[in-house]
Amino acid sequence: ETGVTQTPRHLVMGMTNKKSLKCEQHLGHNAMYWYKQSAKKPLELMFVYNFKEQTENNSVPSRFSPECPNSSHLFLHLHTLQPEDSALYLCASSQESGRAPYEQYFGPGTRLTVT
Amino acid sequence: LAKTTQPISMDSYEGQEVNITCSHNNIATNDYITWYQQFPSQGPRFIIQGYKTKVTNEVASLFIPADRKSSTLSLPRVSLSDTAVYYCLVGDIHTGFQKLVFGTGTRLLVSP
Repeated sequence: ETGVTQTPRHLVMGMTNKKSLKCEQHLGHNAMYWYKQSAKKPLELMFVYNFKEQTENNSVPSRFSPECPNSSHLFLHLHTLQPEDSALYLCASSQESGRAPYEQYFGPGTRLTVT
Repeated sequence: LAKTTQPISMDSYEGQEVNITCSHNNIATNDYITWYQQFPSQGPRFIIQGYKTKVTNEVASLFIPADRKSSTLSLPRVSLSDTAVYYCLVGDIHTGFQKLVFGTGTRLLVSP
């Protein structure tokens, strides 16, 4: 599945580092999402962008900063993270068509480890 | 958003039909029911979506009773590669995109 790509696939960073996760979708979709999946926990929705506008911020700490320069690209900027932020970060996109099915296409994720 | 309840795990054998039931007692009029599949260290993959009655595609069937308070995902003749976590979600489609809330899912193990 190459519709939604994420880079890097693995990232190890110290608590004082600044890094960014990148997501790109090649499906012509208008909505993009960031999810966090910690070990043995359900996926948590973090942010939603619809036509480049942020429409959802699910009480995410400010050390996570999203950016959506256009409908095809989504970034998650990370700074001064904590070890408990180690998780699989998933990007997804969907077509804002107003017609079912409303399926989201997920990328492979970035496995983040904070040391 | 309606809360969903599904079994934590299920076991099956190759070639059998698997039915996973999800309870969503507080489903709203505008909510659609969607099922996703997730393999370890991968993003979830859409399986099927429905509003009422029965929906079938090349992968699965989705049965929704008239009261819509539950739904059943049916996987015909499972294989080892169907071992995964299956998530049932309900969400409002009014906004044109679906804000999904994932539960803990059902871990399906298919054995030879």
